[in-house]
Amino acid sequence: DAGVTQSPTHLIKTRGQQVTLRCSPKSGHDTVSWYQQALGQGPQFIFQYYEEEERQRGNFPDRFSGHQFPNYSSELNVNALLLGDSALYLCASSLTGFEQYFGPGTRLTVT
Amino acid sequence: KQEVTQIPAALSVPEGENLVLNCSFTDSAIYNLQWFRQDPGKGLTSLLLIQSSQREQTSGRLNASLDKSSGRSTLYIAASQPGDSATYLCAALSSNDYKLSFGAGTTVTVRA
Repeated sequence: DAGVTQSPTHLIKTRGQQVTLRCSPKSGHDTVSWYQQALGQGPQFIFQYYEEEERQRGNFPDRFSGHQFPNYSSELNVNALLLGDSALYLCASSLTGFEQYFGPGTRLTVT
Repeated sequence: KQEVTQIPAALSVPEGENLVLNCSFTDSAIYNLQWFRQDPGKGLTSLLLIQSSQREQTSGRLNASLDKSSGRSTLYIAASQPGDSATYLCAALSSNDYKLSFGAGTTVTVRA
């Protein structure tokens, strides 16, 4: 079992650009959640996908959007990047939303 | 809105000492509480999960307790080792909206 995988590992973008991050859940999991972790802080919940629908959303602007595919993998898209979007983006998978297993994260740097 | 607090923010102990990490949460409507370990720049590794109906969970040198009524959880790490140096995060899963709320973490340094 490969566990939760995320790509890419690192990414550098310029302010105003758009970025897409990808996540493959642990085998057998149907729910994917995304989190943003700024340096020195705990992860903040962005949104959760279940059965290809956004089930819950945290306090993030509409610039943050996502998608879940029929194979349960997921994408996080961020438009009009700001310097403050620089963070570690974590994906977690679970079965119906309970115990969550995290991937290694994608480090996004916005310059 | 669930608020999760971890005190202290940082802790430094000599090898062999027992560690006690504290976590408090404001809303007792939770499904479970998880403790995670995070090494610098890495993802989260789940250490223990306590269901809301449980009082404690144990795994090897780790023991976590949960007092839902008082909004507290404690992670005990026995006989600490330098390899235990990391940031430890607790997170509460809301039974209202399935959102996982994290504390800011306690950064532990175990000195050899």
